[in-house]
Amino acid sequence: SYVLTQTPSVSVAPGQTARITCGGDNIGYKSVHWYQQKPGQAPFLVVYDDRDRPSGIPERFSGSNSGNTATLTISRVEVGDEADYYCQVWNNSSDQWVYGGGTKLTVL
Amino acid sequence: QVHLQESGPGLVKPSETLSLTCSVSGVSVRSDNYFWGWVRQPPGKGPEWIGTVYYSGSPMYNPSLKSRVTISEDTSKNQILLEVTSVTAADTAVYYCMSHSGGKAVAPRDWGLGTLVIVSS
Repeated sequence: SYVLTQTPSVSVAPGQTARITCGGDNIGYKSVHWYQQKPGQAPFLVVYDDRDRPSGIPERFSGSNSGNTATLTISRVEVGDEADYYCQVWNNSSDQWVYGGGTKLTVL
Repeated sequence: QVHLQESGPGLVKPSETLSLTCSVSGVSVRSDNYFWGWVRQPPGKGPEWIGTVYYSGSPMYNPSLKSRVTISEDTSKNQILLEVTSVTAADTAVYYCMSHSGGKAVAPRDWGLGTLVIVSS
């Protein structure tokens, strides 16, 4: 089965840039989606198809995907960005959604 | 705008069947090219996809749960149903309903608030 690997935690100061990675075998050939989840809430889509943002998502959120790593970049991090972030892909070979283990972003 | 709301028992006994309902508003569950799925999240852990259905298509299930899971549509009530048989404590989780349109690999944007199910005697 396809596995997505995320660093468990990332810490940044307000105003700095956070980079959250998602590793997978040739993930560059797949479309990666990113979700933000705050305590007690459902996951919320912040980036889809590697780099596109749903309406209402600030430009501070951006994504990239190449080779074996996809990256969610949050620029000018704010206290309100503190949350768990999950990557997600559709694995065509097995027709199933796969999630990464999640990265907890702490804003110091 | 699609609105999803999960409902069902919050407590299920081990070995019994967990049954949840996702009530859909804003679109018909029979709509072409709409996909309806269930995801669960054990306490303190990441999401786990359970399965996805679409009208007139074959359900797709997580292989690790396939033998115990059934997802179906109640078109008369505009609901998506989930059944998980022979539950154990490992099935304790918040269960979410989600939906998307445009293809099975399109990012699900619409999620319910989730419902917590605890498996305990």
